[in-house]
Amino acid sequence: AQSVSQHNHHVILSEAASLELGCNYSYGGTVNLFWYVQYPGQHLQLLLKYFSGDPLVKGIKGFEAEFIKSKFSFNLRKPSVQWSDTAEYFCAVKDGNNRKLIWGLGTSLAVNP
Amino acid sequence: DGGITQSPKYLFRKEGQNVTLSCEQNLNHDAMYWYRQDPGQGLRLIYYSQIVNDFQKGDIAEGYSVSREKKESFPLTVTSAQKNPTAFYLCASKAESSYEQYFGPGTRLTVT
Repeated sequence: AQSVSQHNHHVILSEAASLELGCNYSYGGTVNLFWYVQYPGQHLQLLLKYFSGDPLVKGIKGFEAEFIKSKFSFNLRKPSVQWSDTAEYFCAVKDGNNRKLIWGLGTSLAVNP
Repeated sequence: DGGITQSPKYLFRKEGQNVTLSCEQNLNHDAMYWYRQDPGQGLRLIYYSQIVNDFQKGDIAEGYSVSREKKESFPLTVTSAQKNPTAFYLCASKAESSYEQYFGPGTRLTVT
């Protein structure tokens, strides 16, 4: 069965630090990749997505992610985090034949001012 | 203002009682989903529906039931058979032509 692995469960950073959250998936075929974010008290919302084309994807609020097919990875990055980036981040994958998203367990990010 | 509404935000029930969580969307989306979110366990799919009057079990459907009588509504019933019902429940919807799921604000159910 397909699976999604998020390596960091809890991350604590100071403002202005750089962020990289890991995401690896197990499916070997065509995939669609997503990062969702859940800010405290808010809806889960889409941060960015990859379907095809340029493997470096830009999202909202200065986030980006790079799809590396050979590594089955879709890591999320931000060069300089802010306190407002404190949230839970979820990686999700949809393979070509499946109608469902497969979700990682999430990474809780706390940014200290 | 388009979106997904879930009500109520907090729900308390006694063990042994069935409870129904509401999910309504005015996005004209065909597909709707119910997830359960527990700390450290990510999102787990309970049920999903691609079209009115049709739905499929997700990964953890036992102890839950759904209906999809209208396109805009996808209520979830947590039955007394669900062994550990206390959780945060999220409803989502998706357009047929898209892969992006839109989420509601969630309902936190506490069963004691």
